[in-house]
Parts: sequence; C-alpha cells; structure tokens
Amino acid sequence: NAGVTQTPKFQVLKTGQSMTLQCAQDMNHEYMSWYRQDPGMGLRLIHYSVGAGITDQGEVPNGYNVSRSTTEDFPLRLLSAAPSQTSVYFCASSYSLTGDNEQFFGPGTRLTVL
Amino acid sequence: AQSVAQPEDQVNVAEGNPLTVKCTYSVSGNPYLFWYVQYPNRGLQFLLKYITGDNLVKGSYGFEAEFNKSQTSFHLKKPSALVSDSALYFCAVRDRDTGGFKTIFGAGTRLFVKA
Repeated sequence: NAGVTQTPKFQVLKTGQSMTLQCAQDMNHEYMSWYRQDPGMGLRLIHYSVGAGITDQGEVPNGYNVSRSTTEDFPLRLLSAAPSQTSVYFCASSYSLTGDNEQFFGPGTRLTVL
Repeated sequence: AQSVAQPEDQVNVAEGNPLTVKCTYSVSGNPYLFWYVQYPNRGLQFLLKYITGDNLVKGSYGFEAEFNKSQTSFHLKKPSALVSDSALYFCAVRDRDTGGFKTIFGAGTRLFVKA
C-alpha cells in the first residue's frame, strides 16, 4: 500500500492564482481531512469528508474548496491564493468514522504564496 | 468546544533520562486522545491513543501516556530517552459525544534529546 500520497511536494504561487493540491489514499478509508500547519499553531482542520459526496468545513475553511467524488481522492482547491495561505498542508485519512481510530498522514505540500 | 494545550514549546532532556511531554485538554463530553510524532520534513505518525479502559496506554517506540480525567491531562512519557526521539510531538483530542468528526490538535512540543 502506498498509504496517503500528496502532490506536489512544493509549490510557489503568486497572489490571486488558483491551484489544486492532490490527495489520494489506497486504504479504502471513509474519513479524509485536510490540515494546514503553521509555526506555533499546530495543525488546523480546513475541510473533511466522511465519504464520497460528503464534505464539511473545519476550523479554517475560508479560501479553500474540496470535493470527494471517489473514496480514494480528496483534492483541496485554493480559489485565489493569498500570502496568508503560505503554509504546509497535510492530507490525512482514517478507517473509522466513530473517531476512535488514528489518522494516517501524507508527506505534506509546502506552499508559498508571493 | 474542544481544545488542547501543550504548555511547553520545547523540552530538553539528556539521553537515558526519563522524558515527559505535557498535554491538557478540554471537551464537553468524553475524550478520545491521541499522540502523534513528526520528524523533519515528514507527515505526522501515530504513537498511541486512549479510547476507554486502562488509564495507562502503551504505544510505539517505548512511549506511554496516562489519561487523568480529574486533571484533564494526557501526558506522554518514556522511561529512557534516545537521541532519535528528538522530534515534534502533537497531542490531539476528539470529543466522542459532541465533537462530530473533528479532531483538534495542540500547537506541538519540540523534544530535544542530547547525547
């Protein structure tokens, strides 16, 4: 199993540009989520999904969109990038919807917005 | 609302000495509690969790944590630290009763183990 994969590893954008961060998992996990990691703030939940076709907002959803057309894929879209979105982004998945299972994390995407 | 506090930004310990990384939490209902570790330029890796039952839980790489309901704490411990334990550690909580599908992470504690 490849686990959770993310592409790209690094990305530089200009303010106002849009892009999609890709996330895929091959463990047949129902729950998937996106976090951003900023120094001194830990991980903050952006959006999550509990199955194909079902998504919901986390703590910091503004400026981001998600969709879940398949169990495997959960892309994160930045609609109009801003310098405040400079961060490291992690995708994660979990087998259980009941919350008692750990999450598996991807390697991250380091995004810089100029 | 759920919250997690890791009161120490950094913990320094000598190799061979015991280590403790502190975590306190706040939830309305009953918690699920997790510890994760992050090595440089990597994603987070699961260490251990408390779901129910025995308050002392054991996890990967010799780590353990004790759930203390009265103090709302879940401190991570290891009897003898290794230099390779140096990393960033995150505590996380999910309210099993009212938290929905959201897990909240602490800000992280950087552990330095000196040889």
